[in-house]
Amino acid sequence: QKEVEQNSGPLSVPEGAIASLNCTYSDRGSQSFFWYRQYSGKSPELIMSIYSNGDKEDGRFTAQLNKASQYVSLLIRDSQPSDSATYLCAVKLANEKLTFGTGTRLTIIP
Amino acid sequence: DGGITQSPKYLFRKEGQNVTLSCEQNLNHDAMYWYRQDPGQGLRLIYYSQIVNDFQKGDIAEGYSVSREKKESFPLTVTSAQKNPTAFYLCASSVRGDYGYTFGSGTRLTVV
Repeated sequence: QKEVEQNSGPLSVPEGAIASLNCTYSDRGSQSFFWYRQYSGKSPELIMSIYSNGDKEDGRFTAQLNKASQYVSLLIRDSQPSDSATYLCAVKLANEKLTFGTGTRLTIIP
Repeated sequence: DGGITQSPKYLFRKEGQNVTLSCEQNLNHDAMYWYRQDPGQGLRLIYYSQIVNDFQKGDIAEGYSVSREKKESFPLTVTSAQKNPTAFYLCASSVRGDYGYTFGSGTRLTVV
């Protein structure tokens, strides 16, 4: 069983709509959760971190965490063509290494 | 500006040759990591180091070696024992604790 699972996509969303990216993880001891954005040919860039249950908003991005369901999601409101990228979910146990999912490729259609 | 510098950006290796990828950070981060990314795949951990003069194998360490003689530097050597080295190599660093990683811009290695 994969430790961090994401739908590989591609996920296509019209410009201006909400993009919803999902991630599940297997280890109930996980404490820190991150979303990275990776443009084609570039390195991952940290865009959101979340540590407690609920929602965390930063501009057009909202991260949602549900530890009971072992589920973390990223919502992108008012999607723009520049949001087209691969989004990596990453999970961390206390004082342990990050474990990455394989990423979801998102395409915003103008 | 603080950050992580990886060099070179592109590297070509001949069969049977060892090559070294450079990773330098000026973020004063304790921990450093090397990942490999193959097309359409996620990140796989090669080696990591949480303090100077100490490092641990990741999930795919065979055919690779590292050193951590300075806090700022964590070079990766791809040896001839690595049979399929063509990939995108990413170096990252972090402070200790429940924080995310900062990545360098990567080195794309190709076997010719």
